[in-house]
Amino acid sequence: SQELEQSPQSLIVQEGKNLTINCTSSKTLYGLYWYKQKYGEGLIFLMMLQKGGEEKSHEKITAKLDEKKQQSSLHITASQPSHAGIYLCGAGRVKDSNYQLIWGAGTKLIIKP
Amino acid sequence: DAGITQSPRHKVTETGTPVTLRCHQTENHRYMYWYRQDPGHGLRLIHYSYGVKDTDKGEVSDGYSVSRSKTEDFLLTLESATSSQTSVYFCAISALLGGYTFGSGTRLTVV
Repeated sequence: SQELEQSPQSLIVQEGKNLTINCTSSKTLYGLYWYKQKYGEGLIFLMMLQKGGEEKSHEKITAKLDEKKQQSSLHITASQPSHAGIYLCGAGRVKDSNYQLIWGAGTKLIIKP
Repeated sequence: DAGITQSPRHKVTETGTPVTLRCHQTENHRYMYWYRQDPGHGLRLIHYSYGVKDTDKGEVSDGYSVSRSKTEDFLLTLESATSSQTSVYFCAISALLGGYTFGSGTRLTVV
């Protein structure tokens, strides 16, 4: 099973509607990252959250990290076709004294016109 | 300047042949990573490097080797390509602690 669980796996939303994607961990998250991937392209950094209760926004995308630092949500307001793609969450961890990110499986977002 | 580039972008190769993918960075970041991305599996770490000549295995390292002789270059080699290695390969870089910057990916098809 994934250390980071993303839900839903896929989402079809009517253009203009709001949506939420969740990223959940059984362990405390130290540095939670959201990335977006357009089909056939690389991953683009969206936002990073570190503190419990932290919330960040960029244009119509808002990401929050809960107080316990075990769940993050990504909320898109008034969705547009440009929001379509795959959203991945990543969390920092130290393994064998080396830093790396672990990843959720991704959420595929389709925007219906 | 993209900061990180992967080459080639696309490659078709035959089963049993060796293949090398290159990742080049201009950011002087310590950490470099190779991932593969397959439907239903998300990103899976193949190998990573935490410095010149310092590398370690990820979760799906069988059939792959890496080398890092310079800070800026991280090479991924498929020693004898198999059809199961058909995938999209991403390189990423990071500073000591922080998010990753990803390359544009290499789409590899093994026929």
